[in-house]
Amino acid sequence: DAGVIQSPRHEVTEMGQEVTLRCKPISGHDYLFWYRQTMMRGLELLIYFNNNVPIDDSGMPEDRFSAKMPNASFSTLKIQPSEPRDSAVYFCASRSSENTEAFFGQGTRLTVV
Amino acid sequence: GQQVMQIPQYQHVQEGEDFTTYCNSSTTLSNIQWYKQRPGGHPVFLIQLVKSGEVKKQKRLTFQFGEAKKNSSLHITATQTTDVGTYFCAGPYTGTASKLTFGTGTRLQVTL
Repeated sequence: DAGVIQSPRHEVTEMGQEVTLRCKPISGHDYLFWYRQTMMRGLELLIYFNNNVPIDDSGMPEDRFSAKMPNASFSTLKIQPSEPRDSAVYFCASRSSENTEAFFGQGTRLTVV
Repeated sequence: GQQVMQIPQYQHVQEGEDFTTYCNSSTTLSNIQWYKQRPGGHPVFLIQLVKSGEVKKQKRLTFQFGEAKKNSSLHITATQTTDVGTYFCAGPYTGTASKLTFGTGTRLQVTL
């Protein structure tokens, strides 16, 4: 298995633009997590899904953020409109229900200018 | 809310010296996990501890879970430059075992 795949790896966008981050979890994993990492706030959980259903989105900072998981092999995190303070590394992670070990993707480094 | 703190935030050692990072939770944890993140990389799972007082070893790394299950430590013996990175502990949210609270992390720098 190729592991958790995220795209793009890097994204530079102007303030006000829409940004969409993509994630393909490991096949067979039924949990998917979106994290944001910054120097100031560390690793923050934004939202997680179980069997494609959003379970907890209490970490989503604002209404500008939304996440979807239309099927077991794909998820998106969208920011609209983006702001400079959204600049961070966004990680997607997945795990199976039989194992608590989380597998992280390579991350997307987002820069909003 | 639940908090997981780690100390120190940063440590710089010379190769061959030992290193320890400590993890403290504001609540009792059912288990604790440790992850390593290399510079520019992503967190990678190292180990999970479940039992009170549990000690596990992986080569030069020794992991311990406290008796009260509110703290944990990671000790590296005779550090090498390949140990460079940030070490995170992570515990399940109280009442919601499905999601993890990550600690603040300890960044380790090793020089020759």
